[in-house]
Amino acid sequence: KNQVEQSPQSLIILEGKNCTLQCNYTVSPFSNLRWYKQDTGRGPVSLTIMTFSENTKSNGRYTATLDADTKQSSLHITASQLSDSASYICVVSRDFGNEKLTFGTGTRLTIIP
Amino acid sequence: DGGITQSPKYLFRKEGQNVTLSCEQNLNHDAMYWYRQDPGQGLRLIYYSQIVNDFQKGDIAEGYSVSREKKESFPLTVTSAQKNPTAFYLCASSIDVGPEAFFGQGTRLTVV
Repeated sequence: KNQVEQSPQSLIILEGKNCTLQCNYTVSPFSNLRWYKQDTGRGPVSLTIMTFSENTKSNGRYTATLDADTKQSSLHITASQLSDSASYICVVSRDFGNEKLTFGTGTRLTIIP
Repeated sequence: DGGITQSPKYLFRKEGQNVTLSCEQNLNHDAMYWYRQDPGQGLRLIYYSQIVNDFQKGDIAEGYSVSREKKESFPLTVTSAQKNPTAFYLCASSIDVGPEAFFGQGTRLTVV
């Protein structure tokens, strides 16, 4: 069964600290893995997209890693800011098309001052 | 500004009524999608359309209907046959079958 599991479910950290979110998947075949940020009551916004051959990709303070052998990905946030408070969703694509996406349930990140 | 717009942001419906959610994009994207988001679950695909006048069922299409008469518009109708319609609905679009999907801001539907 194609699944995407994220951990932790929720996380609270102090402003300025770093954190790492995890994503494990069983989706096959694999096309690409995406991380989205979703603010409460808003639509998801793409942070990174990685294909099989990429093992790291950065977008400002966000750095995603991918290990296609172990089917694991992580999203590292450096020097967190209050605006980073959101849900972070890991999404895996089985094929080159957005109808082939399997969404994780997300990690709810809260940054406190 | 280019983007994808959903309306309304909040919608209330009485049981037994059909309701239509609007999704418009001016990104010139060929493909459009409707997802449903429930607490504690990942987004689930309701319907998608890759070209005008064509659409396909997703994983949870029962109780929903769509149309794609124009490239820019992909409205979703939640019918009375949908047993549990209260949810957050997200529309997305992409260039053909490209990897990048852009999401609208969502419509929260509540059945009262």
